[in-house]
Amino acid sequence: QQPVQSPQAVILREGEDAVINCSSSKALYSVHWYRQKHGEAPVFLMILLKGGEQKGHEKISASFNEKKQQSSLYLTASQLSYSGTYFCGTRGTSYGKLTFGQGTILTVHP
Amino acid sequence: DTAVSQTPKYLVTQMGNDKSIKCEQNLGHDTMYWYKQDSKKFLKIMFSYNNKELIINETVPNRFSPKSPDKAHLNLHINSLELGDSAVYFCASSQPLRGQPHSPLHFGNGTRLTVT
Repeated sequence: QQPVQSPQAVILREGEDAVINCSSSKALYSVHWYRQKHGEAPVFLMILLKGGEQKGHEKISASFNEKKQQSSLYLTASQLSYSGTYFCGTRGTSYGKLTFGQGTILTVHP
Repeated sequence: DTAVSQTPKYLVTQMGNDKSIKCEQNLGHDTMYWYKQDSKKFLKIMFSYNNKELIINETVPNRFSPKSPDKAHLNLHINSLELGDSAVYFCASSQPLRGQPHSPLHFGNGTRLTVT
């Protein structure tokens, strides 16, 4: 079942922060985060495993709340290069298929 | 030194035609995938192969047939193309490691298929 992302779209000015959420109605084994720029392929950002792990990637970090079956992606001090569509992908088991959310469009203005 | 490459990048064809998309990866990965991204950007898995063996086959019309001649290649053949097949098709690969199956997906640059 497809995870649900919120918000659907975010507009920021450079330097502002944003949070993108990903929720599932099913138990999760892992959550992936990807960013896709217009006309390009999705690019991997990070993976989180069940256990409430928090990971970081430059000024982008994420958390995974196993009890709530939710993951959040935190973008701090946003840069123009952060613009794109962010997708979460979830797996219910270790070797299960990766199912993506509907995406969140992030636009960063100067 | 492209990791996952797809050809062609663009494909414009008429309804009823048959077309193929090719994918190759030089990452040494065992697992390859086909994803379809529709006009609303929804990324939906179609097929997955592990070492030439089909392991995921989603509810996809029989007109779509994947083929993996070896673990570095995964091709997609589509028969009797329909308007609704218009989308961007992404090939991807990953390498689930022993004890660590949660490896990231590496995507190709996509093939934009337009059926007229």
